[in-house]
Amino acid sequence: DIVMTQSPDSLAVSLGERATINCKSSQSVLYSSDNKNYLAWYQQKPGQPPKLLFYWASTRESGVPDRFSGSGSGTDFTLTISSLQAEDVAVYYCQHYYNIPWTFGQGTRVEIK
Amino acid sequence: QVQLVESGGGLVKPGGSLRLSCAASGFTFSDYYMSWIRQAPGKGLEWISYIRPSGSGTYYADSVKGRFTISRDNVETSVYLQMNSLRVEDTAVYYCARKGQGGSGLDYWGQGALVTVSS
Repeated sequence: DIVMTQSPDSLAVSLGERATINCKSSQSVLYSSDNKNYLAWYQQKPGQPPKLLFYWASTRESGVPDRFSGSGSGTDFTLTISSLQAEDVAVYYCQHYYNIPWTFGQGTRVEIK
Repeated sequence: QVQLVESGGGLVKPGGSLRLSCAASGFTFSDYYMSWIRQAPGKGLEWISYIRPSGSGTYYADSVKGRFTISRDNVETSVYLQMNSLRVEDTAVYYCARKGQGGSGLDYWGQGALVTVSS
């Protein structure tokens, strides 16, 4: 199974500042046949289901603000919030869908400093 | 608009069974992979199963293989999760989710159904 490891487990960022979350997979999730990374990012606010932010590591889902960006390839990925807003307080998860079983990272909690 | 509504959660004793349903609307259900993901109280997300659009292929996490069965009815536009031999550690909120077409992730999620396994 591919193990997804996020860092840090939590971070506190001032409003308007940058937040960076890392996700590392135990093996590459880059499909050679289409040169795409089978990696998604989700945001989960308290009491709500997760919301898809990015797929293919960096393709933004419709409606996601452009202060969010996804990057990386192979085994190392990053979710960046360029200017943290109060509504961004949430837990963020990475997930691979390269093969079965799909697995999620343990989550990163983002709070306001 | 796309809607996924889970039902069937509740309290069950260890060793018991429960069947979750997820009613889908607002999209061509038969075109999409559907999945179940669970979240134990205060914990992270765990993928447990998915089913191909036709229902011909089903896949499971090792933690539920042999105990849980996913199925779908493309006429009723619903996906199901039959859960047998339930354990205390199966206690969680169970979400159904749609996998977006092409290489997308899980693009729509239901609100979840709470399953509590306790004596």
